[in-house]
Amino acid sequence: AQSVSQHNHHVILSEAASLELGCNYSYGGTVNLFWYVQYPGQHLQLLLKYFSGDPLVKGIKGFEAEFIKSKFSFNLRKPSVQWSDTAEYFCAVTSSNSNSGYALNFGKGTSLLVTP
Amino acid sequence: DTEVTQTPKHLVMGMTNKKSLKCEQHMGHRAMYWYKQKAKKPPELMFVYSYEKLSINESVPSRFSPECPNSSLLNLHLHALQPEDSALYLCASSLDLGLVIADTQYFGPGTRLTVL
Repeated sequence: AQSVSQHNHHVILSEAASLELGCNYSYGGTVNLFWYVQYPGQHLQLLLKYFSGDPLVKGIKGFEAEFIKSKFSFNLRKPSVQWSDTAEYFCAVTSSNSNSGYALNFGKGTSLLVTP
Repeated sequence: DTEVTQTPKHLVMGMTNKKSLKCEQHMGHRAMYWYKQKAKKPPELMFVYSYEKLSINESVPSRFSPECPNSSLLNLHLHALQPEDSALYLCASSLDLGLVIADTQYFGPGTRLTVL
């Protein structure tokens, strides 16, 4: 079945710790990959995206993600998190093989809590 | 300018009311989307409009009725809703649909709907 899996549903880190959030997808065809963030009470914002080219993409606020095609993965990383990174993080995929056209298919999200 | 605006921000309605949600973008995007998001859950696709025509309806109940009067506006008409329809309703837009797969969706802040 076509899906996007985020393995960590809840993550708690101390400030300055490193972050890695996993995302795997099972879509075939040509895929585009995204990470969106939703801060408490705010709307979805695009963190970064991968369409083609360099598999290591850099986004806003010091985030980066690596596309590994052989592993169907697009993990999000940040070397040192801050309290302000507390938010819900969603991995999303569009695929030329998706049943929903080019609409976003979201993972279930990872809730990140960064403690002072 | 990557802004998608939505009105109202909050809406409380009874089960017999008729109300409408409005979404607007001025980025020249020709694809517009409605998503429904429950607390701590990912957005779920409801409808996709492409060039002002409904292209995807994800089996949404008829008490939700979308309308795209022009390329900048997207409405969601609500009638006889149920309490379980209470959620955050998100609008998004993207440049194109179908012709160009490498596309990014930009989200509005959402309308927080409560059905009593």
